[in-house]
Amino acid sequence: EPEVTQTPSHQVTQMGQEVILRCVPISNHLYFYWYRQILGQKVEFLVSFYNNEISEKSEIFDDQFSVERPDGSNFTLKIRSTKLEDSAMYFCASSVSSGRRETQYFGPGTRLLVL
Amino acid sequence: DAKTTQPTSMDCAEGRAANLPCNHSTISGNEYVYWYRQIHSQGPQYIIHGLKNNETNEMASLIITEDRKSSTLILPHATLRDTAVYYCIVRVGHGGSQGNLIFGKGTKLSVKP
Repeated sequence: EPEVTQTPSHQVTQMGQEVILRCVPISNHLYFYWYRQILGQKVEFLVSFYNNEISEKSEIFDDQFSVERPDGSNFTLKIRSTKLEDSAMYFCASSVSSGRRETQYFGPGTRLLVL
Repeated sequence: DAKTTQPTSMDCAEGRAANLPCNHSTISGNEYVYWYRQIHSQGPQYIIHGLKNNETNEMASLIITEDRKSSTLILPHATLRDTAVYYCIVRVGHGGSQGNLIFGKGTKLSVKP
């Protein structure tokens, strides 16, 4: 069964450093998403992406964040200058289509720790 | 956005049915009810979704009341591996939205031997 994959599974970085989290969505999916979950808190939506453009973003997704689909398979989340509060699990998701009828499938997550 | 209300936690004996309730009294007529679960900080796992009819798949059944103000997720024979946080989510469906999922705190289901 096709799955969303994410690399790395764990990332430790120093505050102020740039990190890139990578995701390979399910191959026939066209819509891509990033969510994050700070330890002990809810899963929060960050951004959705379609046709090489951001479709929607939350207040969390500020200028320090960017997303890209650099090739036909990868979908990346970049944090330009990490802060301590960026420490969280980051989940990528993808769906065939958009809207309320299409199911989003999640990857296993990347645990980011900012020191 | 329709909000959901779920109990914070529930216990279930292994092999018994787990019935997880969800209230969504402000749901609008074209919004779907989705259920996901999250096992110990893994990625959320899709379980089932429905609009107004009851639904069943290999994982679970979803019972939606006639007025659509509440629903129940049923795991017919819970196993220890079903211990997880279960999220009931009503999909955002207003114009232009890509339908991002809004997660609440969910119900922590503990399946006990």
